[in-house]
Amino acid sequence: DAKTTQPPSMDCAEGRAANLPCNHSTISGNEYVYWYRQIHSQGPQYIIHGLKNNETNEMASLIITEDRKSSTLILPHATLRDTAVYYCIVRGRNAGNMLTFGGGTRLMVKP
Amino acid sequence: DGGITQSPKYLFRKEGQNVTLSCEQNLNHDAMYWYRQDPGQGLRLIYYSQIVNDFQKGDIAEGYSVSREKKESFPLTVTSAQKNPTAFYLCASSIAGYSYNEQFFGPGTRLTVL
Repeated sequence: DAKTTQPPSMDCAEGRAANLPCNHSTISGNEYVYWYRQIHSQGPQYIIHGLKNNETNEMASLIITEDRKSSTLILPHATLRDTAVYYCIVRGRNAGNMLTFGGGTRLMVKP
Repeated sequence: DGGITQSPKYLFRKEGQNVTLSCEQNLNHDAMYWYRQDPGQGLRLIYYSQIVNDFQKGDIAEGYSVSREKKESFPLTVTSAQKNPTAFYLCASSIAGYSYNEQFFGPGTRLTVL
């Protein structure tokens, strides 16, 4: 699996967009980008995933660069409840179900 | 409600004792997983099971054991051979298969060995 690099922490003002970057420069052609988040002392929660096109759902948007070497998770209107650790994971679609979680980005949404 | 339950939420044990953590799911998922999380760290895979009566070691299986006698249940035993058992333990489940499927996580059990 391609390795991912995320900033260890970020701050965001409540109501503003939170843009969380992830570098995955060694990603291969069949590998997807997944995002999970973990609120303190809870289990991780799936957010979104994508291959090369931008994706949007009710929680977030995922923007993947054209060369696929990096991506950005966007929370359009961050709330205090979005304070969590966000994990970017790269995984092959046919590589089984195992996930490898790195350190993630600790997002702090401030009033 | 469909979901994954783990019990208890907090567990204390004396050093040298085996302890079993419970994980139950009613999502009709074939695959189940156990992860360990240490403070400030990501999750590490301990064991996983794609089907009843079958399971495989993950990255850090030493000192742990599992069983999968029922589809709904995947208990994890932390044995006395595990050198640093104090951690947050998370169970997850998903649809099985070689293609990736979203994993659903339980609330976790925080184990403290005194």
